[in-house]
Order: sequence, then structure tokens, then C-alpha cells
Amino acid sequence: AQSVTQLGSHVSVSEGALVLLRCNYSSSVPPYLFWYVQYPNQGLQLLLKYTSAATLVKGINGFEAEFKKSETSFHLTKPSAHMSDAAEYFCAVSETGGFKTIFGAGTRLFVKA
Amino acid sequence: EAQVTQNPRYLITVTGKKLTVTCSQNMNHEYMSWYRQDPGLGLRQIYYSMNVEVTDKGDVPEGYKVSRKEKRNFPLILESPSPNQTSLYFCASSPGDGGNGETQYFGPGTRLLVL
Repeated sequence: AQSVTQLGSHVSVSEGALVLLRCNYSSSVPPYLFWYVQYPNQGLQLLLKYTSAATLVKGINGFEAEFKKSETSFHLTKPSAHMSDAAEYFCAVSETGGFKTIFGAGTRLFVKA
Repeated sequence: EAQVTQNPRYLITVTGKKLTVTCSQNMNHEYMSWYRQDPGLGLRQIYYSMNVEVTDKGDVPEGYKVSRKEKRNFPLILESPSPNQTSLYFCASSPGDGGNGETQYFGPGTRLLVL
């Protein structure tokens, strides 16, 4: 069965610092992996996704994530945090041939001025 | 504008009083889904639909019903709400069957409080 673990329910960084949000997954078949972002009082929107092409995936707003099969990880990074990045971030996985997406518990990112 | 809409956005009700949360998309998407979001648990899928008249249970379907009579609409029905159904609900849609790496497009959410 597929599952997603996000390490750290809350992450706090200073403006301009590196953002690193961790995601590990389990899947019995090649996975599709996603990062979604939820801004306050809004629905989720896609940041980026891995669909078996390049292992380093670039998304919107300067975010990127690297698929590492050996570590079953898909960590999200951004070199320099901005105040507008404060939001909740969800990692998600779906399986080849599957119709369901499994979401992690989410990580809330705080950005300090 | 391409979007998923949900109504109402906020709802307070009492235990046992039937309610319906509507969801509509204008993107001609095949796949639609309902999730509930609870602190520390992330999003959990309630029901999904791959086409008109085709629905299936997600991970937490107990206490909920759905129907898909038209492609654009996917209402969520709580026939006898209970306090443990207090949550934030999201409707989502995607172009195909919801699998194979498809992006889902989310509505703005419905915050439900059951007293």
C-alpha cells in the first residue's frame, strides 16, 4: 500500500534562508509524486510533480524537488525563502495504474522577517 | 475562468440534520473527488467518481453519500451528520481518470461544524 510521511508538522525559517521540507513515500510500483501548497483560506494548488521523466523537478515560485528512489524521498527545496511562501505544504503520491492520491499530513512553513 | 466551486463555504448545523455540499467544475473534467482535511491527518479521500454514474469509496466513506448525475456536479451528502464530521472539506477534479500523475484542481473548501 502506498503512504506518505512528511517529517515536521511545522518548519520555521528566516526570510532569505533555505527552505527544506521533507517527504518520504512508500509504493509497491513506480510512483507519481506531487507537492501541493495551500495558502490561508484557499484550496490546494500544484507546486510541482514527478512523473518519471527528470528526477529533479522544477515548480512554480522557485521551488524544486528531487526524486531519490534509493531513499524513497521527494524533498522540496527553495534556495531563498520569501514571506509569501508562508503556507501549508502537502506531499502526495499516486501509483501507476491507480486512481487514488494519498496525501501526507502536511507541513506548515513559517517565514520570519 | 476555469474553476471548481463549492457551496456553502461555511456551515454550522446540528447532529442529525441532513445537509448537502455542492461541487461544480467548468473544465469538462472526468474525475471528481471529495476529501476531508483534519489537523495532523492531512487530506483523506471520502469518495471519488471517474465518470457520470460511476462512483467509488475512498478511505473514509462512512457517513457520506455522493452522486454523479451530471459531469460537472458532484454533491456530497451527509444524511445524519455527527460531531466527528466537523472538518474542512475539499472537492477536486482532474481531466482523465485521476491516475497516472494527473494534477487535481481543488475548490476553495467548505468548513463544516456539527454541534
